Amino acid sequence: DAGVIQSPRHEVTEMGQEVTLRCKPISGHNSLFWYRQTMMRGLELLIYFNNNVPIDDSGMPEDRFSAKMPNASFSTLKIQPSEPRDSAVYFCASTQGAETQYFGPGTRLLVL
Amino acid sequence: GEDVEQSLFLSVREGDSSVINCTYTDSSSTYLYWYKQEPGAGLQLLTYIFSNMDMKQDQRLTVLLNKKDKHLSLRIADTQTGDSAIYFCAEGVSGGYNKLIFGAGTRLAVHP
Repeated sequence: DAGVIQSPRHEVTEMGQEVTLRCKPISGHNSLFWYRQTMMRGLELLIYFNNNVPIDDSGMPEDRFSAKMPNASFSTLKIQPSEPRDSAVYFCASTQGAETQYFGPGTRLLVL
Repeated sequence: GEDVEQSLFLSVREGDSSVINCTYTDSSSTYLYWYKQEPGAGLQLLTYIFSNMDMKQDQRLTVLLNKKDKHLSLRIADTQTGDSAIYFCAEGVSGGYNKLIFGAGTRLAVHP
């Protein structure tokens, strides 16, 4: 089992640029979560998908953030335009039903 | 609202036991979790406990749950340098899906 796969692992970009983070959940898992981790705010849930449908996006910070899940094996989190305060580690996690969430290695984003 | 609190730092000597404490607020939480995060890595599930249990043991790990006081602890026996990491407590809250609320994490430092 490959686990949750995220790409890129590191991203450095300039303010105003579009950033796209990618996630491949564990095969067979029907729920996917995007989290953001910062020193100041800890781990925050951004959005939750179930069967490819966004169920809870109350954690998405603002309209600059958007997430999609076009199929069961792929999700994207996009930031447009990016700002320095978006610098963080972004994690994707997946699970089957109400079982334990399994996390990917994260994408470390730095916006200059 | 839901909140999870844990101390930020713990230092122990190699071979001693470590005890990491956590308090949570949602009395309806079904599961409570401990995750481990090593530098530059994602969150790894260590163990979890169902809310109707008061203790769970898994090799060197012992989880104690005091539901009355909403207190959770993780004991690591014979702590090794490889146990140095950040440990996150999380509660699974109700609301249609198993949403996790994480604490800020306890950084465990193991010294010789």
